[in-house]
Amino acid sequence: SQQGEEDPQALSIQEGENATMNCSYKTSINNLQWYRQNSGRGLVHLILIRSNEREKHSGRLRVTLDTSKKSSSLLITASRAADTASYFCATDLLWFYFGTGTSLTVIP
Amino acid sequence: EPEVTQTPSHQVTQMGQEVILRCVPISNHLYFYWYRQILGQKVEFLVSFYNNEISEKSEIFDDQFSVERPDGSNFTLKIRSTKLEDSAMYFCASSEIPDRGQPQHFGDGTRLSIL
Repeated sequence: SQQGEEDPQALSIQEGENATMNCSYKTSINNLQWYRQNSGRGLVHLILIRSNEREKHSGRLRVTLDTSKKSSSLLITASRAADTASYFCATDLLWFYFGTGTSLTVIP
Repeated sequence: EPEVTQTPSHQVTQMGQEVILRCVPISNHLYFYWYRQILGQKVEFLVSFYNNEISEKSEIFDDQFSVERPDGSNFTLKIRSTKLEDSAMYFCASSEIPDRGQPQHFGDGTRLSIL
């Protein structure tokens, strides 16, 4: 299966701390994307990293990709209460495969 | 910022009935998708649509499902004879070009409840 699996399933941190989420996948990819989903809402695209890239930044987000280990990580620095959401990685093969998600709670 | 809109936000239907979920993708986008998310589970791909035809479909998208772009703005998902297990959130998404290296823009979903 191509499906990504995020780890941990749930993460609770204090505001201001950094949050790290990991994604592992099983087959070769062209791209890996991270999305956020607030409760009851659709997914919002955060960042895309291509298979030939190792690291990418966007504001407080930092994504790494290790194709040899078939894994990616999403780091959110200086977390805010508004970052509370579920975070999913999505890998592509024939179509997009979303992982099971990490539920992040940022405590004010 | 342009967004994908979905209607209705919540649909309650009797088992065996037909249901049509509607989506208005972002106007200059060319590639459209439907996904579903059963409560507490992962988001699952159903179908992608480009140039007025299905590009890919997953094993979930069986003969009970169909998609249509009836005019220049709407993109619909029809479930012909609903089953209890069709209860889920259904998300429409669109992207600017048919390249999986492009971000997808999601609507807020339709919650489908089959009784």
